[in-house]
Amino acid sequence: NAGVMQNPRHLVRRRGQEARLRCSPMKGHSHVYWYRQLPEEGLKFMVYLQKENIIDESGMPKERFSAEFPKEGPSILRIQQVVRGDSAAYFCASSSQRGPGNTIYFGEGSWLTVV
Amino acid sequence: AQTVTQSQPEMSVQEAETVTLSCTYDTSENNYYLFWYKQPPSRQMILVIRQEAYKQQNATENRFSVNFQKAAKSFSLKISDSQLGDTAMYFCAFMRTPLQGGSEKLVFGKGMKLTVNP
Repeated sequence: NAGVMQNPRHLVRRRGQEARLRCSPMKGHSHVYWYRQLPEEGLKFMVYLQKENIIDESGMPKERFSAEFPKEGPSILRIQQVVRGDSAAYFCASSSQRGPGNTIYFGEGSWLTVV
Repeated sequence: AQTVTQSQPEMSVQEAETVTLSCTYDTSENNYYLFWYKQPPSRQMILVIRQEAYKQQNATENRFSVNFQKAAKSFSLKISDSQLGDTAMYFCAFMRTPLQGGSEKLVFGKGMKLTVNP
């Protein structure tokens, strides 16, 4: 059973460009979470999605960031007009059901570098 | 809002020894979950152990065990017989339970770097 797959693992973008990060949850998982890890920091929650629904986006910056989890295909975290401060590791996680009784599995992360 | 504090930024231990990583948290809720995650140099986040707040018995997973003190809001991780492969960043995390509404987002501490020396 393949784990949470994220791609690309490393992405370099110039300031002002767009970054798209993809996440395929574990097979059978319909809940996806995105977290951001800044250098020397712990992970910070960004958004929680189920298929075709955003459940909680309280951790998403108000501008330039968006996320989706379509009926078919991976979840996408999109960052428009990137700035240097967006440089971070972005982790996707998935679970099979709602509830902390169900383990949340993390992907290996996508490292965004803005130059 | 919940907060998680890991006051020790870095620790080192000799192989085969025991080490304890500390974590405190702040919440007004009564039911919640606590976690320890490990992030080795590969940077993947790996779940080490999980504790349910309503359970008084401390969780154990092989060489890993916790000391959960609910009244003190303390959740320390003990690693016995430390191995070189235990070298990693360790993050303590909190999650509220869904019965209280909202999403199951994890609140992480800033992490602690553990080095196991040969």
